[in-house]
Amino acid sequence: KAGVTQTPRYLIKTRGQQVTLSCSPISGHRSVSWYQQTPGQGLQFLFEYFSETQRNKGNFPGRFSGRQFSNSRSEMNVSTLELGDSALYLCASSLKTGSTNEQFFGPGTRLTVL
Amino acid sequence: QQPVQSPQAVILREGEDAVINCSSSKALYSVHWYRQKHGEAPIFLMILLKGGEQKGHDKISASFNEKKQQSSLYLTASQLSYSGTYFCGTEVSGSARQLTFGSGTQLTVLP
Repeated sequence: KAGVTQTPRYLIKTRGQQVTLSCSPISGHRSVSWYQQTPGQGLQFLFEYFSETQRNKGNFPGRFSGRQFSNSRSEMNVSTLELGDSALYLCASSLKTGSTNEQFFGPGTRLTVL
Repeated sequence: QQPVQSPQAVILREGEDAVINCSSSKALYSVHWYRQKHGEAPIFLMILLKGGEQKGHDKISASFNEKKQQSSLYLTASQLSYSGTYFCGTEVSGSARQLTFGSGTQLTVLP
């Protein structure tokens, strides 16, 4: 069974631009969560989607948004990029919604904002 | 609120034991443990639900003390492959079902 895939793996943008990241969950998994990982803040929860609906949202500004498609693939968008948005963005999929489920992480997208 | 992990880093020799702690100031519903190697995705280790149960897999086990809102991860007879950063993720009782991760514990196993 194929794992979680994320594209692109690396991205370089400049301040003010916007970016879209993609995540394909494990086949059959309907929940996708997004996390931001930085050396200083660690792993921080962004949001979770299940059956095309946002179920939970972390404490991030509205510049961070996402969506989920009918095939469970998810995209995350960051508008008006800031230097502090440079991070590894990880998505994780699980069979069901709710955090008492094992999450399978993808390799991440490394975003660098110049 | 982010759980507190201790120690921040630990170095040990192959075959030695280690304990990593994760504490929260809030009542917890569940604690998750993950390991991440450099440049790789975090890998799930185990979930503990409130009730104080202890789980184990091979030589890695964990406990959850509901009264203290603390979980401990035990690595017995460490192997080189255990090296990596260990994260605990906590879900607070009564809150939205999302995980808040600790800052991680970097474990290095030397031959």
